[in-house]
Amino acid sequence: DAGITQSPRYKITETGRQVTLMCHQTWSHSYMFWYRQDLGHGLRLIYYSAAADITDKGEVPDGYVVSRSKTENFPLTLESATRSQTSVYFCASSEPGGTEAFFGQGTRLTVV
Amino acid sequence: GENVEQHPSTLSVQEGDSAVIKCTYSDSASNYFPWYKQELGKGPQLIIDIRSNVGEKKDQRIAVTLNKTAKHFSLHITETQPEDSAVYFCAASNGNAGNMLTFGGGTRLMVKP
Repeated sequence: DAGITQSPRYKITETGRQVTLMCHQTWSHSYMFWYRQDLGHGLRLIYYSAAADITDKGEVPDGYVVSRSKTENFPLTLESATRSQTSVYFCASSEPGGTEAFFGQGTRLTVV
Repeated sequence: GENVEQHPSTLSVQEGDSAVIKCTYSDSASNYFPWYKQELGKGPQLIIDIRSNVGEKKDQRIAVTLNKTAKHFSLHITETQPEDSAVYFCAASNGNAGNMLTFGGGTRLMVKP
């Protein structure tokens, strides 16, 4: 299916565990983003990537790691999950130059 | 960095009335201002956007206005319908980094039938 897909949609993990959230897009967009959504904070940027093998920090990168070995995939890893990382995570993609950003359906992560 | 403030956080209107959501931004270099609608359990979806060289843009029942001098922009929805009920986010970008967006805190709009 064309578009941007995230997996899993829901995840419960324990404190200290490593967890990876997946994001896949079929448009070959250059840019990909990870945001987290928390009540009262809107969406905050965690990391972004301009192309394969190019990544950069956003507003709230601590505790997260990203990689982008292929243009279409942009996984987000929580190396040692904490309760404060309980959130809804959204992946997005776009082309350069101020065009529309397309969002995935989100992953609801609960850290217990 | 950019800071976007959005008000109100919740808004309740009767069906058929108008709804207005306001945002302010801090970075004068921002030049792209999209509005996203998020329905329950879904990702945000673009509904309208405006660039800094335009003061107003309209698409059917939705309009956005931009005041660069005051650094604020607004979303206007006329003749609201129950299906307009959702969370709306404003955002700002300077067009760099593939349109990296800074979002406002969101407005939950409830349209009462």
